[in-house]
Amino acid sequence: AAGVIQSPRHLIKEKRETATLKCYPIPRHDTVYWYQQGPGQDPQFLISFYEKMQSDKGSIPDRFSAQQFSDYHSELNMSSLELGDSALYFCASSLGGPYISSGANVLTFGAGSRLTVL
Amino acid sequence: QQQVKQSPQSLIVQKGGISIINCAYENTAFDYFPWYQQFPGKGPALLIAIRPDVSEKKEGRFTISFNKSAKQFSLHIMDSQPGDSATYFCAAMRGNQFYFGTGTSLTVIP
Repeated sequence: AAGVIQSPRHLIKEKRETATLKCYPIPRHDTVYWYQQGPGQDPQFLISFYEKMQSDKGSIPDRFSAQQFSDYHSELNMSSLELGDSALYFCASSLGGPYISSGANVLTFGAGSRLTVL
Repeated sequence: QQQVKQSPQSLIVQKGGISIINCAYENTAFDYFPWYQQFPGKGPALLIAIRPDVSEKKEGRFTISFNKSAKQFSLHIMDSQPGDSATYFCAAMRGNQFYFGTGTSLTVIP
């Protein structure tokens, strides 16, 4: 079965550079979530999209932006990178948006993109 | 504010033993409670989930016990194996809002 695809899997950037992470959700999933996970920490919610519109916003820095495209894939753009941005970034997808029973909204996670800022 | 509180932070269990991880929540609007298993460097993977109108759900060696009145739920791993060594996250959902617990690092000693 197709899973959530994230690219790149690993990324090394210098401080103040920019980075773009991509996420391809499970086919027919219409909701995408982005999470940031530091070492030994639980995943922190950044932002989510339903049907190409932002549906919820978490602790996403102003230096970060994201969007969901017509084919439902999503990109997380990170600018003016800081050392503290080094983390695993996970994308997750689900089906049904905010008005469907929660069982259908269970998140399926990708393998993650590891960002290292030097 | 942590919406879901999880304990313990770490757990060491002998092979064949029972691993128990506990979670508690406050928001009674939550209506679905999944558990995720995460291996180092990998994404969290759905393990088992339960609705609040069910008191227990079992899948293989994994069982969720749910106490709606106490707003608590727990994961029991029976006959724990070294391959179960991972970080476990409970979560609570309401619509498309999703909240993780703080995670429990489980180590199963051979």
